[in-house]
Amino acid sequence: GAGVSQSPSNKVTEKGKDVELRCDPISGHTALYWYRQSLGQGLEFLIYFQGNSAPDKSGLPSDRFSAERTGGSVSTLTIQRTQQEDSAVYLCASSPRTSGGGSYEQYFGPGTRLTVT
Amino acid sequence: AQTVTQSQPEMSVQEAETVTLSCTYDTSENNYYLFWYKQPPSRQMILVIRQEAYKQQNATENRFSVNFQKAAKSFSLKISDSQLGDTAMYFCAFIRNSGYALNFGKGTSLLVTP
Repeated sequence: GAGVSQSPSNKVTEKGKDVELRCDPISGHTALYWYRQSLGQGLEFLIYFQGNSAPDKSGLPSDRFSAERTGGSVSTLTIQRTQQEDSAVYLCASSPRTSGGGSYEQYFGPGTRLTVT
Repeated sequence: AQTVTQSQPEMSVQEAETVTLSCTYDTSENNYYLFWYKQPPSRQMILVIRQEAYKQQNATENRFSVNFQKAAKSFSLKISDSQLGDTAMYFCAFIRNSGYALNFGKGTSLLVTP
């Protein structure tokens, strides 16, 4: 079946502009995760959605970052007033998690490479 | 907080040879999972192998196996009969049994040469 898809694949934006990154998880997966992969920081957790529960936003680096998940499926990560340090690959993952931490594999999408000029 | 350390930024191995990638972690948890992910140039993170901390037996998946030493908090990946398609970044990751966020190491870039 179809895997996790992300769009756009690459995004170049000017400093100060807003960007939206989209993630389409595997059908039926209730859990959705956003991670950021940057040269300096490696892979960092950003935000987690599980079903209809309130998301865990503890990994978001600043209030310029927000995310939503509509209808328990597609998710959008929004970065307002982009800065050069926001340049990174943004990875989305989903899993069929209903409970139990690492017992469920996280399936990753191909990521969106964001470049802020 | 949990930390994952991969001390080898880059490694190289010849085709058909065996290579071992190192990973250590720090946690006060007793129940957790450890993973090795592969990330080729396509950027797609692919799960290579998973180990549950409560299992003493080391996980194996075809040419991939781990050496899990819980007391030493060590989790190395052995790739046997290396193939050119194994060229990729390899990430070690940790997750608490009750958690959901993967904690990743910085990665090891593996190059398989003919």
